Amino acid sequence: EADIYQTPRYLVIGTGKKITLECSQTMGHDKMYWYQQDPGMELHLIHYSYGVNSTEKGDLSSESTVSRIRTEHFPLTLESARPSHTSQYLCASGNAGVQHFGDGTRLSIL
Amino acid sequence: DQQVKQNSPSLSVQEGRISILNCDYTNSMFDYFLWYKKYPAEGPTFLISISSIKDKNEDGRFTVFLNKSAKHLSLHIVPSQPGDSAVYFCAASRISNTGKLIFGQGTTLQVKP
Repeated sequence: EADIYQTPRYLVIGTGKKITLECSQTMGHDKMYWYQQDPGMELHLIHYSYGVNSTEKGDLSSESTVSRIRTEHFPLTLESARPSHTSQYLCASGNAGVQHFGDGTRLSIL
Repeated sequence: DQQVKQNSPSLSVQEGRISILNCDYTNSMFDYFLWYKKYPAEGPTFLISISSIKDKNEDGRFTVFLNKSAKHLSLHIVPSQPGDSAVYFCAASRISNTGKLIFGQGTTLQVKP
């Protein structure tokens, strides 16, 4: 079973703040992903990485950025949060097809 | 344009009966399909998958069927249990490509005692 951890679980913060959502996995997976999900909707891929120093934008345009300096760590950053960024952010990792998800960060921008 | 669709937003079944969740896709290049289960305030949990070279895969109470000609897959849960109540997402990918998953909108399953 994959172990993948996201912090914080919940974040309520004001407009204009810089935010970093943390994601770490202990399974040594090369591939990691960030998805965004609104209530009742599908998960949309916003960023992915094939390994250290590799990052790509996903299918859904996002103002966030990511970095992959270590295999186990894939943080997502919003330089200046806006109410339109309010959503749930899910991190995943995996090899060979199956992705394993963290419990997500529910982000609310006031 | 949504490539993976779950047309039933919700499904209610009686405990002990069969639950059938459906999923349609449009991209014939997809070669790997997965089902995930999601409880509120948790991340999706992998349930079962199927490769496009198969038409059926079974794991305990869960069976996934794939009909490539109809571009349709379904998840059967037998017998259904109250603990199965959750949102179920189907997802599709091209393993030979990036492995990115394309998700459907989800179906909320309620299993009544």
